[in-house]
Amino acid sequence: QLVLTQSPSASASLGTSVKLTCTLSSGHGTYAIAWLQRQPGRGPRLLMKVNSDGSHTKEDGTPDHFSGSSSGAERYLTISSLRSEDEAEYYCQTWGTGTHVVFGGGTKLTVL
Amino acid sequence: EVQLVESGGGLVQPGRSLRLSCAVSGFTLEDCAMHWVRQAPGKGLEWVSGISWNSENRDYADSVKGRFSISRDNAKNSLHLEMNSLRPEDTALYFCAKDTGGSGSYFVDHWGQGTLVIVSS
Repeated sequence: QLVLTQSPSASASLGTSVKLTCTLSSGHGTYAIAWLQRQPGRGPRLLMKVNSDGSHTKEDGTPDHFSGSSSGAERYLTISSLRSEDEAEYYCQTWGTGTHVVFGGGTKLTVL
Repeated sequence: EVQLVESGGGLVQPGRSLRLSCAVSGFTLEDCAMHWVRQAPGKGLEWVSGISWNSENRDYADSVKGRFSISRDNAKNSLHLEMNSLRPEDTALYFCAKDTGGSGSYFVDHWGQGTLVIVSS
């Protein structure tokens, strides 16, 4: 069964960097994933797609200080030069069979 | 500009029904699979249901299977979710979401603002 695993929380100080991780379950290590941002009071927003080879495609409007990468079954979202407005929930997403969609449990990022 | 606007949420008693709707614009609905996703208070995103571009494929999360029904009207640019036998655990913000795929799911690239469903006596 395809499962995406994320740490429930992360924190980092203003102006520093943070790296969020999404781990694909065994047997699904070649899947690409998408990173979503959920800010309070707003619908989720697609930030980028990250492939198994580490390449990533940002959506229009995704700030430059967001980037993606991969290593094995792990997919990363790195946010550099943290800003207060980066404080949000971050989810990874991939596809299942048919029209099923799979989400990670989400990481709540606190900017100190 | 892609827009998805949900409606139909509200306060409903356990065991009753509710129908959510999503009006879309800014893209060709018949090209895309569509989804309903929910977020319960203090919880993460939970996929609820998906439907292929031509309605041939419809899938449901185990938590709602047999109670919820997804449908779409491409001519009217709308998506719907019929929710029956509602339970308190169905309380959540329900989002309409657009997929980049057509026949099956791929990446969800646009979302609405959500409509709140509260199931309580």
